[in-house]
Amino acid sequence: AQKVTQAQTEISVVEKEDVTLDCVYETRDTTYYLFWYKQPPSGELVFLIRRNSFDEQNEISGRYSWNFQKSTSSFNFTITASQVVDSAVYFCALGHSGYALNFGKGTSLLVTP
Amino acid sequence: DGGITQSPKYLFRKEGQNVTLSCEQNLNHDAMYWYRQDPGQGLRLIYYSQIVNDFQKGDIAEGYSVSREKKESFPLTVTSAQKNPTAFYLCASSIKGQANQPQHFGDGTRLSIL
Repeated sequence: AQKVTQAQTEISVVEKEDVTLDCVYETRDTTYYLFWYKQPPSGELVFLIRRNSFDEQNEISGRYSWNFQKSTSSFNFTITASQVVDSAVYFCALGHSGYALNFGKGTSLLVTP
Repeated sequence: DGGITQSPKYLFRKEGQNVTLSCEQNLNHDAMYWYRQDPGQGLRLIYYSQIVNDFQKGDIAEGYSVSREKKESFPLTVTSAQKNPTAFYLCASSIKGQANQPQHFGDGTRLSIL
């Protein structure tokens, strides 16, 4: 079965705190791709990152970083020094042998001043 | 600007009525997708199309229909057979219909029942 689990439904932090969003996936495929998307209140999903199953290097982009661990089937997303503009729903998704993506249910992040 | 345009932004449907949601892209992408989003749920795939004049059912196709007569257009019709159509509908596209391709999304259409 192909499945993505985002166990955290809602997270609330105060500005400048670090926050980690968890993503656990299940797949039988040896080749697969993991994605993170951000959905601000406007509704459009914004692509943040793609990681393929052969590349376990962590990635950092500004205040964003991603930790991919095949041993635990996890692809976690950390925002350092959070800001109010980071408030959004974040989705983790799995691309595998099919053509569409399997999305998790999303984590709603609220950053308060 | 290249992107995906969905219209209308808000749509209301009467009982027994079919409604059509528009999705147009000028990214020259081959593949297009329709997703449904309900509160607290992830995105669920309704239909997808990898090339013109071809489309496939997704996980929740019942009560919906699509067409792909032009590369840039992928309209979704919500038929009267869809008994619970109230949701947020998102259209997406990717360069090719492959698992490694990021999908680019429109702003969505929010459909409600009158």
